[in-house]
Amino acid sequence: AQSVTQPDIHITVSEGASLELRCNYSYGATPYLFWYVQSPGQGLQLLLKYFSGDTLVQGIKGFEAEFKRSQSSFNLRKPSVHWSDAAEYFCAVGATSGYALNFGKGTSLLVTP
Amino acid sequence: KAGVTQTPRYLIKTRGQQVTLSCSPISGHRSVSWYQQTPGQGLQFLFEYFSETQRNKGNFPGRFSGRQFSNSRSEMNVSTLELGDSALYLCASSIQGEGTEAFFGQGTRLTVV
Repeated sequence: AQSVTQPDIHITVSEGASLELRCNYSYGATPYLFWYVQSPGQGLQLLLKYFSGDTLVQGIKGFEAEFKRSQSSFNLRKPSVHWSDAAEYFCAVGATSGYALNFGKGTSLLVTP
Repeated sequence: KAGVTQTPRYLIKTRGQQVTLSCSPISGHRSVSWYQQTPGQGLQFLFEYFSETQRNKGNFPGRFSGRQFSNSRSEMNVSTLELGDSALYLCASSIQGEGTEAFFGQGTRLTVV
């Protein structure tokens, strides 16, 4: 069965520091991979996606993610965090039958001055 | 282009009642998926519709149902509400489902009292 693991429930970084959010998945084939961000009381906004091809993908708001097949990982990175990046981040894997996203539990990002 | 629109944004219902939530997808999108988000269980897939047909269903009781209309708008219904149904219900639309990115609405916050 598919599973998505985000090992870090909470992460605190200083504004201007770099960020890496981890995501590991269990899946039998090359999956469709996504990162979403959610601000309090809001819906999910797509940051970036990986379907195939170049394993380093660029997204919105200066985020990027790297797909590593050997490690079954799809970590999200940002070189310099802004206070407005404070939110909940979700990694998701796309299913093969029908369209059902399997989400990780999320990582809550706190940005300190 | 307008985003995914969910109505209403907030609902308060009493145990035992039923509720209907509405989702209007992005123009041209034929796939609509529904998710339940709770603090304890996270984001869980409910079902997905494509061209008025349910293609996939998550592990929820039969009290949860949905449908899609010819204009791709979708509704989900929860009958005999329980306290545990209190959640943020999110709708997502995509062009065709698998292999295409999903865009989420702002969600409907359902509170069952």
